[in-house]
Amino acid sequence: QKEVEQDPGPLSVPEGAIVSLNCTYSNSAFQYFMWYRQYSRKGPELLMYTYSSGNKEDGRFTAQVDKSSKYISLFIRDSQPSDSATYLCAMSKDNAGNNRKLIWGLGTSLAVNP
Amino acid sequence: GAGVSQSPSNKVTEKGKDVELRCDPISGHTALYWYRQRLGQGLEFLIYFQGNSAPDKSGLPSDRFSAERTGESVSTLTIQRTQQEDSAVYLCASSLASWDEQFFGPGTRLTVL
Repeated sequence: QKEVEQDPGPLSVPEGAIVSLNCTYSNSAFQYFMWYRQYSRKGPELLMYTYSSGNKEDGRFTAQVDKSSKYISLFIRDSQPSDSATYLCAMSKDNAGNNRKLIWGLGTSLAVNP
Repeated sequence: GAGVSQSPSNKVTEKGKDVELRCDPISGHTALYWYRQRLGQGLEFLIYFQGNSAPDKSGLPSDRFSAERTGESVSTLTIQRTQQEDSAVYLCASSLASWDEQFFGPGTRLTVL
């Protein structure tokens, strides 16, 4: 079993839909959770960062962490064609040396159709 | 300002040849990372440079892989005697420090025939 599971999709939705992207994980020690967006032929870019449990909102994006269920979600409201990309979750146990300790999901490919 | 740049953007090579991939990080970023992204797999950490400290090579998959960085600037990733399983997108990222947000380059798409 992989430490981080993410359905690769593809996920196709109409413009304006609410999108829910999810990852599950097996290591209860994970505390730092991130969502990256990766456009085709580009590198990933950090979208959302959360520590421990709870919600975090930034514009149309909401990141949610449920540590009891070992489940994280990214919600996109009023989705736009420009949101079409691959969304990767990443997580780690500690902040020191965080970036190279990240465990990554496979990424979910999202297409928002006009 | 300029982001992380990588060259070449695409590289096709024959099995057994050596390849060299280049990364130009964001100016002032002391931390630099190389990752590999293969189809159907998550990002794999390869190597990390932080200033003048010894690099963290713990992610390199074999001794055919090596990397260098000159001070806090350019880095090169070298793959010797390439194999078909080396086909992947090789991503470089840089950050101000190891715990700061990392910024990725567009990657080099390597195809080994």
